[in-house]
This record gives sequence, C-alpha cells and structure tokens, in this order.
Amino acid sequence: AQKVTQAQTEISVVEKEDVTLDCVYETRDTTYYLFWYKQPPSGELVFLIRRNSFDEQNEISGRYSWNFQKSTSSFNFTITASQVVDSAVYFCALSDLVRDNYGQNFVFGPGTRLSVLP
Amino acid sequence: DADVTQTPRNRITKTGKRIMLECSQTKGHDRMYWYRQDPGLGLRLIYYSFDVKDINKGEISDGYSVSRQAQAKFSLSLESAIPNQTALYFCATSTSGGKGNEQFFGPGTRLTVL
Repeated sequence: AQKVTQAQTEISVVEKEDVTLDCVYETRDTTYYLFWYKQPPSGELVFLIRRNSFDEQNEISGRYSWNFQKSTSSFNFTITASQVVDSAVYFCALSDLVRDNYGQNFVFGPGTRLSVLP
Repeated sequence: DADVTQTPRNRITKTGKRIMLECSQTKGHDRMYWYRQDPGLGLRLIYYSFDVKDINKGEISDGYSVSRQAQAKFSLSLESAIPNQTALYFCATSTSGGKGNEQFFGPGTRLTVL
C-alpha cells in the first residue's frame, strides 16, 4: 500500500539556519510522483514542487532544494538560510500512476510543522 | 479572484444538524476532490469526482455525501453532523490523470460540530 512518512512532527530553528524536512514513501509502482506542499498559518495549501520517479536530479529553487533518492525512497526538502516567513506546515505527498488514473490521486504525509524563530 | 473557492470559510454547528460545504472552481478542471485535515494526520480523501457523472468514495466517506452539480461545482454534505467531524475541509481540483498533475486547493472551511 502507498504510504508517506514524515517522521519530524515539529522542528524549530533560528532564522538563517538551514533545515531539512524528511519524507519517506512507500509504493509498489515504478511510475509515481512526489510533491511538497506548504501550509502557512493562514491555512491555504501552496504547491511547491512535483518530481516524477524517473527523474532523480536534485532541484533547487532559490533557498529551496529537494533531494530525491529512489534507493532510500526519500524525497527530502531543504530550506537554506531560513526566514520567519518559512514558518508553516509542510506536507509531502505521493501519487502513483494507477491511483492517478483511478482518481485517488494523493496520499499525504502527516506534515512537519516548521517554526523559524527570529 | 481565487481559482478555487469554498463557502463558508468557517461554520459552527450542533450535533445532528445537516451541513453543506460548497466548492467552486474557475480553472476548468475535470477532477474535484474533498479532503479533511486533522492534526497529525495530514489530509485524507473523502470523495472525488472525475466529471459530473462520475463520483467515487475516498478512504473516509462514511457520514458524508457529495453532489457534482456542474463541472465547476462540487458540494460536500454532512447529513447528521457529529463532533468527530470537526476538522478543516479542503476542496481541490486537478486536470485529468496519468501525468501526476498537481492539485490546486481552495482556502479551506473550518467546521466545528458541538
């Protein structure tokens, strides 16, 4: 069965520190997609990134970077030089091709609450 | 204007009452979803719809029903609300599957059942 684990329930860092949020997934399918969403205190869910299972290249977008490793079934998210505005709950999600075609698109992890202190 | 809207944004109701949460989208997407979010559990799928004539149960559909009135509208009903349905409810949309397309979420409805 598909599953997403985010073992870190809450993380607190001081501004300008780097922080990595872990995501470990389980799926039996060879074609799948991984996502990260951000939920700031205002409550909305903001899409950050999508990665497909055939592309293991790391992704960098400004202060954000993602490390996808199929060998360890992990898709970790690093924020460099964190800022107070990064404080949010971050969700990792998995969608595999079979579930996608049948519409049950996403399995979400429980989320990691990141607090960046000034 | 937001692409995915939800009404109401907040609702407090009593046990046994019937409640309807509404979702509208202007993205032109075929697929629409209802999730609930509970602390420590992430988002869990309640119902999803491929199109107006296609509605499917998600992992936690008991106690809920839905209606897809049009491509742009998808409503969630709690026939007889109970306290453990207190949660944050999200509507989401996406284009047709097969490509791992991301889902776009509404702002959420905070429901409290007393």
